[in-house]
Amino acid sequence: GNSVTQMEGPVTLSEEAFLTINCTYTATGYPSLFWYVQYPGEGLQLLLKATKADDKGSNKGFEATYRKETTSFHLEKGSVQVSDSAVYFCALNFNKFYFGSGTKLNVKP
Amino acid sequence: DGGITQSPKYLFRKEGQNVTLSCEQNLNHDAMYWYRQDPGQGLRLIYYSQIVNDFQKGDIAEGYSVSREKKESFPLTVTSAQKNPTAFYLCASSLGQNNQPQHFGDGTRLSIL
Repeated sequence: GNSVTQMEGPVTLSEEAFLTINCTYTATGYPSLFWYVQYPGEGLQLLLKATKADDKGSNKGFEATYRKETTSFHLEKGSVQVSDSAVYFCALNFNKFYFGSGTKLNVKP
Repeated sequence: DGGITQSPKYLFRKEGQNVTLSCEQNLNHDAMYWYRQDPGQGLRLIYYSQIVNDFQKGDIAEGYSVSREKKESFPLTVTSAQKNPTAFYLCASSLGQNNQPQHFGDGTRLSIL
């Protein structure tokens, strides 16, 4: 079946540190992949997406590359800010949406 | 601006009471979804609808009901049969194609009085 696995949090970083949040997936076909961000008390906002192998999605300094050979879609940012503190969800769409369990990021000043 | 509107933002339910959460979208999306999110947890699918007048149960449909009489609207009723309704409820919509994302509302927080 289809599923998404994310690294468990919380992830705690200092401001300007490099961020990686790991996401791997299992799919019976070729899904589209997404990263969402959720701030406290709010809904999920689409951060970036990739629809085929080797696509790189990017937005607001975040990026993720669709790696078919490793079935991964890791989220990266070169220099995090306090305002990036949130919960990040990896998701795939292949006839149905599947969400990871979320990774909480805390960025300290 | 196009988007998804959920109301109310906060809702309180008394014992034995049914409550209805509203979800409206003006994105012209065919598919709509309801999720439940418990504190510190991920999303669990309650119901979804891919077309007007049709909907399917998700993973945790017991104690909930929905209707889809209009393309723009997908209300969720939390019935008295749902014994632990306290949670954050999220509505989403999409074009229903594999390469398209879901778009989310701002959520409704339901609590028990």
